[in-house]
Amino acid sequence: DAGVTQSPTHLIKTRGQQVTLRCSPKSGHDTVSWYQQALGQGPQFIFQYYEEEERQRGNFPDRFSGHQFPNYSSELNVNALLLGDSALYLCASSGRRQGGSNQPQHFGDGTRLSIL
Amino acid sequence: GNSVTQMEGPVTLSEEAFLTINCTYTATGYPSLFWYVQYPGEGLQLLLKATKADDKGSNKGFEATYRKETTSFHLEKGSVQVSDSAVYFCALSGGSNYKLTFGKGTLLTVNP
Repeated sequence: DAGVTQSPTHLIKTRGQQVTLRCSPKSGHDTVSWYQQALGQGPQFIFQYYEEEERQRGNFPDRFSGHQFPNYSSELNVNALLLGDSALYLCASSGRRQGGSNQPQHFGDGTRLSIL
Repeated sequence: GNSVTQMEGPVTLSEEAFLTINCTYTATGYPSLFWYVQYPGEGLQLLLKATKADDKGSNKGFEATYRKETTSFHLEKGSVQVSDSAVYFCALSGGSNYKLTFGKGTLLTVNP
């Protein structure tokens, strides 16, 4: 049973460029969340997608956008990259909501994005 | 808003020592509480969870009890191993708030 998979594992970009990160959720999961983890910090919530729509968004600028496809996979797009966008970007998936919003989230290994 | 505060590390222990990592939270309503572990170069793995007051989550010898009166969810293990060396994150989610809110993480190093 494949877990959450993310691609690429590492990426190097320069300031001002645009980047797209990809995520395939765990089998049976339909909800995808994205987090940014700066070095030495806890993950910070970017947004969550459910039924191909953004359901909740954290405190991130509009340069961060996303998409969810009919097969539940997701993309994270970041435009006009800044040095401060250098971080580990984590994707997490969770199962179909049955009893509430507290379904455990399962994480991928992340994409390490470095901005030069 | 929701927030999580966990003890700052790093924590260095000898093998077979007792581990406690403190975690307190601020949240409205009745959140679910989680401990995640992150090994070097990897993503986060769910270690244990508790969804209501007085619940005890447990896994791989780790335990944590949801204490609503003290808004705490401290992680404990009776005898740590070298393989437990990792960063541990306390987190919560709750109500209509779908996101996970994390603490800053605690680096644990266990020496043989």
